[in-house]
Amino acid sequence: QQQVKQSPQSLIVQKGGISIINCAYENTAFDYFPWYQQFPGKGPALLIAIRPDVSEKKEGRFTISFNKSAKQFSLHIMDSQPGDSATYFCAASKGYGGSQGNLIFGKGTKLSVKP
Amino acid sequence: NAGVTQTPKFRVLKTGQSMTLLCAQDMNHEYMYWYRQDPGMGLRLIHYSVGEGTTAKGEVPDGYNVSRLKKQNFLLGLESAAPSQTSVYFCASARGTEAFFGQGTRLTVV
Repeated sequence: QQQVKQSPQSLIVQKGGISIINCAYENTAFDYFPWYQQFPGKGPALLIAIRPDVSEKKEGRFTISFNKSAKQFSLHIMDSQPGDSATYFCAASKGYGGSQGNLIFGKGTKLSVKP
Repeated sequence: NAGVTQTPKFRVLKTGQSMTLLCAQDMNHEYMYWYRQDPGMGLRLIHYSVGEGTTAKGEVPDGYNVSRLKKQNFLLGLESAAPSQTSVYFCASARGTEAFFGQGTRLTVV
């Protein structure tokens, strides 16, 4: 049973456009929703994260939108740049680390930003 | 400050051979994890540890063993490698909710 579903699998966006990646989760006990960014040959790195007590979080060009009732959250990349080309993973966890806090990852979205 | 370091970065094994992947972190984190990453499958948790001397199974533990004898090190062992274990392996450490990943080990089993 896939607890975190991510779409699309791949995304091509023109430079300056908006990239949108969506995730849906099933477990209502999840209370932490991060997005990780991975460049080829590197490990994933935390990009931005949100908790369910807010509906939106913005950091620079990156915004997470969170819909608790729909159990969905999304990553928006404004003014997308070629340097944003990477694989993006959404994830979810409950608790604050340890056995409860294991991150459950989506399957990833490969973003390509064309110049 | 090196963060999370994985050794080796690449390895080719023959079916049935054994090997150990080493993960070392210098951030004094309690929690450590081993994931495997396969195309279209995302990151799947193999085993994890919530502290020195403790380990637990994740989503895909079969064929792997782990040990956490020292807080800074988390070892992943393959006793008898199989082609299905061809993958990129990532180690991560965490304190709280943010996980820090190593650069990965690309393992090919032929």
